[in-house]
Amino acid sequence: DAGITQSPRYKITETGRQVTLMCHQTWSHSYMFWYRQDLGHGLRLIYYSAAADITDKGEVPDGYVVSRSKTENFPLTLESATRSQTSVYFCATRVQGTDTQYFGPGTRLTVL
Amino acid sequence: QKEVEQNSGPLSVPEGAIASLNCTYSDRGSQSFFWYRQYSGKSPELIMSIYSNGDKEDGRFTAQLNKASQYVSLLIRDSQPSDSATYLCAVLPGGGNKLTFGTGTQLKVEL
Repeated sequence: DAGITQSPRYKITETGRQVTLMCHQTWSHSYMFWYRQDLGHGLRLIYYSAAADITDKGEVPDGYVVSRSKTENFPLTLESATRSQTSVYFCATRVQGTDTQYFGPGTRLTVL
Repeated sequence: QKEVEQNSGPLSVPEGAIASLNCTYSDRGSQSFFWYRQYSGKSPELIMSIYSNGDKEDGRFTAQLNKASQYVSLLIRDSQPSDSATYLCAVLPGGGNKLTFGTGTQLKVEL
């Protein structure tokens, strides 16, 4: 039972390219979240989704696009990557009615 | 002003000692409080949650909450080298869906 998987685990790209980070859960948790983690800023919420086809902005949504057509997948797209988007990205899930968030293993993204 | 504040550390304690980690938050409406542990290069994992004023104990871990002072802490008794990690405080506003994290405190347990 893998729980939450993220792919790729490591990605190097160039400024201006489009990049999609994938998040997949084997559970059926309603909520899914995308965070970025940077030194000095901690974990910051980018977008979250309460259910399929329902998404909402977090603290730092600019430059990112999300979609959720299926409960188990929550891809995050950087439409035109910038160096400031170099970060570690974590996906997380939560069961509706509970507070516990479960985190995926993370994707380390470097934008050159 | 950051909504959730933690001392970044590092906090160094000898093996077997009590480690005390502190966190303050600004939103008085916050209802749920969490401590996550994050090893270097790994993802955060939940170790404690607390919702009411007072202490909550789970093994060697005790979370303490004081809503009047907007303060939450984590005590680790009999600290072990395996406890060396960054500890993240997270706060959830009442009725909200968005966790706010502090920047974390790095704990080093020395032999």
